[in-house]
Amino acid sequence: IQMTQSPSSLSASVGDGVTITCRASQTISSFLIWYQHKPGKAPKPLIYAASSLQSGVPSRFSGSGSGTDFTLTISGLQPEDFATYYCQQSYSTPFTFGQGTRLEIK
Amino acid sequence: EVQILESGGGLVQPGGSLRLSCATSGFTFSMYDMSWVRQAPGKGLEWVSRISGSGGSSYYADSVKGRFTISRDNSKNTLYLQMNSLRAEDTAVYYCARIQGYFDPLWGQGTTVTVSS
Repeated sequence: IQMTQSPSSLSASVGDGVTITCRASQTISSFLIWYQHKPGKAPKPLIYAASSLQSGVPSRFSGSGSGTDFTLTISGLQPEDFATYYCQQSYSTPFTFGQGTRLEIK
Repeated sequence: EVQILESGGGLVQPGGSLRLSCATSGFTFSMYDMSWVRQAPGKGLEWVSRISGSGGSSYYADSVKGRFTISRDNSKNTLYLQMNSLRAEDTAVYYCARIQGYFDPLWGQGTTVTVSS
């Protein structure tokens, strides 16, 4: 299953809202995870089962979608949110990742 | 407290072998499938392998099939990755992760493997 994220990079300002999309090449039901990844650190799960917020993750992060199309929305960007974001399908092996979306400060 | 801690990384020559370990605590290890995921320098995330909770089923990325072996010891709450015939392109940070269906995912902090002469 191929996972395609868009955009590949994004510039935004603190306080902005942003949306990242992820499309699967075939249906994956709601078996979709979103991660935040910063250099030198482990990927941090944000959203699992497409829309469930991981424990400890701020509520400004939200996920939606099912089937083949998914979105990650960040409302009110904070300085610590500038990072790379990945989607991953956990529907069937290989558990493929999207290519990543780099979120940069404008 | 849930913990996942990888170990065993290091520098190895091409063609060599290395065994990674992943010690877990804070959850019922045997109930969950476990995976290894890696990130090569400057690259994205790549899923490597997965093993079922019982250890009876295992799956591999094409890039490591026939060279890597995943296993687990449920009595020790520990996951392993035996890596043989290592290549330069296997150089990466290797993460142990609990990724299964609709369960909340958990990741370790990673261990670095460098394949170089």
